[in-house]
Amino acid sequence: EPEVTQTPSHQVTQMGQEVILRCVPISNHLYFYWYRQILGQKVEFLVSFYNNEISEKSEIFDDQFSVERPDGSNFTLKIRSTKLEDSAMYFCASSRSRDSNQPQHFGDGTRLSIL
Amino acid sequence: DAKTTQPNSMESNEEEPVHLPCNHSTISGTDYIHWYRQLPSQGPEYVIHGLTSNVNNRMASLAIAEDRKSSTLILHRATLRDAAVYYCILGIQGAQKLVFGQGTRLTINP
Repeated sequence: EPEVTQTPSHQVTQMGQEVILRCVPISNHLYFYWYRQILGQKVEFLVSFYNNEISEKSEIFDDQFSVERPDGSNFTLKIRSTKLEDSAMYFCASSRSRDSNQPQHFGDGTRLSIL
Repeated sequence: DAKTTQPNSMESNEEEPVHLPCNHSTISGTDYIHWYRQLPSQGPEYVIHGLTSNVNNRMASLAIAEDRKSSTLILHRATLRDAAVYYCILGIQGAQKLVFGQGTRLTINP
């Protein structure tokens, strides 16, 4: 069964550095998402992406964050000038369409630790 | 924002059925009811979804109340691998994001 894959599984970075989290969505999916989960808290939506544009973003997704689909397979989340509070699990997801009956399929996440 | 209400935790025994309830009294006519689960150290995993009729798949069954204000996820024979946090989420037409609540932490006893 096709799945969403994320790399790296764990990223440790010094505060103030930039990080890029990578995702390979399911190949015939057209909508891509990033979510994050701070330890012990809820999964929170960050951004959705379709047709090379951001289609929806949350308040969390400020100028520090950006997303890109640099080629036909990868979908990346870049965090500039990381802060301690950016430490979290970051999950990528994809879906075939934006219809409310379409499930989103998640990767197993990247654990980001900011020192 | 979550629009669903679930018990914080439930416990069951291995090989017994589990019924996980969810209330969504403000659901609108076009909202789908989705269930996801999150196993320890993994990302959320889609389980099942439905609109009005009860649904079955290889993982679970979804029973939807006639007024659609509540639903129940049914695991017919729980295994230890079913221990997870289960999320009931409304799929809202036109909205792309999933809004996760705290979910129900399901513990399965051997």
